[in-house]
Formats: sequence, C-alpha cells, structure tokens
Amino acid sequence: DVKVTQSSRYLVKRTGEKVFLECVQDMDHENMFWYRQDPGLGLRLIYFSYDVKMKEKGDIPEGYSVSREKKERFSLILESASTNQTSMYLCASGQGGNQPQHFGDGTRLSIL
Amino acid sequence: AQSVSQHNHHVILSEAASLELGCNYSYGGTVNLFWYVQYPGQHLQLLLKYFSGDPLVKGIKGFEAEFIKSKFSFNLRKPSVQWSDTAEYFCAVDPGSGNTGKLIFGQGTTLQVKP
Repeated sequence: DVKVTQSSRYLVKRTGEKVFLECVQDMDHENMFWYRQDPGLGLRLIYFSYDVKMKEKGDIPEGYSVSREKKERFSLILESASTNQTSMYLCASGQGGNQPQHFGDGTRLSIL
Repeated sequence: AQSVSQHNHHVILSEAASLELGCNYSYGGTVNLFWYVQYPGQHLQLLLKYFSGDPLVKGIKGFEAEFIKSKFSFNLRKPSVQWSDTAEYFCAVDPGSGNTGKLIFGQGTTLQVKP
C-alpha cells in the first residue's frame, strides 16, 4: 500500500519565520504535489514536481517555494510565514497518466 | 478558466436516504475523472475513477458515478447512505495534463448522515 508521510500533523509558527514542511513517499512515484485545503475552496495546487530537481508552479505559488533533491522527498517552504498562510497542507504523490494521486494525512499549520 | 464545480456544499441526510452529489467541469477534451473522500481525521482516499469505457463506474463502499460527456458531469451516487459515510467528498479532474497526473479539484461537499 502506498504510504505518503508528512513530517508533522500540527505546527505552530510565528509571522516572518521560515517554515519547512516535509513529505516522503515510498512508492517510487515520479510526481509529487503540494496543496492547501481551506473550507469552501477545496484543494488548491501550490507546486508540483515531475522529477528530481524539477518543479512547476501550481495555481497559488506566491509566498511558497519547493525542493526535491531526492525522488522520495518533496519539501514545501514558506519563505517568510504570514497569517494568511494558516491552513491545512496536503502532500500527494502519483505515477501520472491515469493513475490516482495518494495523499498524506496533512499538516495543520497555524501562523501566529 | 478551467474549473470544477460541486453544486452542493453541505448535505444533511438521514440513514438509508439516497445520495447524489453533483460535479461539473469546464474542459472540452478528454479527461480523467475522480471522486475522493476524506473521513474525519483521515487522509483523502480514492472512491472511484473514470478513464474510458462504461460511463457508469463503481467504487468502494457502494458508491458509483456516472460520466455524462454531453453535460460535462460526473455525479456521485449511493442508493442508501450510512452514518459512516459522513465525510467530505471531492470531485477532481485531470484535464489531459500528460504524464504528471495533475488534478483540478472542486470545492468539496460535506456530507452529514444522521443516525
């Protein structure tokens, strides 16, 4: 069974801090994704990566960056956290084509 | 802009009632379609998917969905809901993103089933 592991379930940070969210998948998937989930807005794609060191912006990349140095690991970075980045962050991985994405448990991030 | 729309934001049903959740998308070409479910405190998991062939697809836990190309719709149905179906449901579309499997999600529908 596919396992996507996010490093933290809950995280509290202060405005201006640099925040790292980590995600690891164990199925050798080519593609990895970061979403944020907000009530009434569904899931919105922040960034995705289709190969090591390759990345593409999603729909809401502003204020975020990503890193994929190894195939199994995809990191989301909030360069200078702001209160409007308080949200649930979901990581997913997938093989592409017509295969579904597999999701982690999510990180609920609060920026104070 | 490309979009996925779920008409019902919050649905409340009694056990044994029938369920239909609407999903419409705005792409004209070939699409792959998915329904995901998120039970309270759990990760999103796949309910069912449609790529080609029979437009009526069956998923886990008695759910099914019908792809109607002319209506750009992929509605989710279940004949008789249970309390354990209480969850948030997301429709998602892959609008021919090549090999990345990139998805566009709807806003989600929260289903509350009363025992």
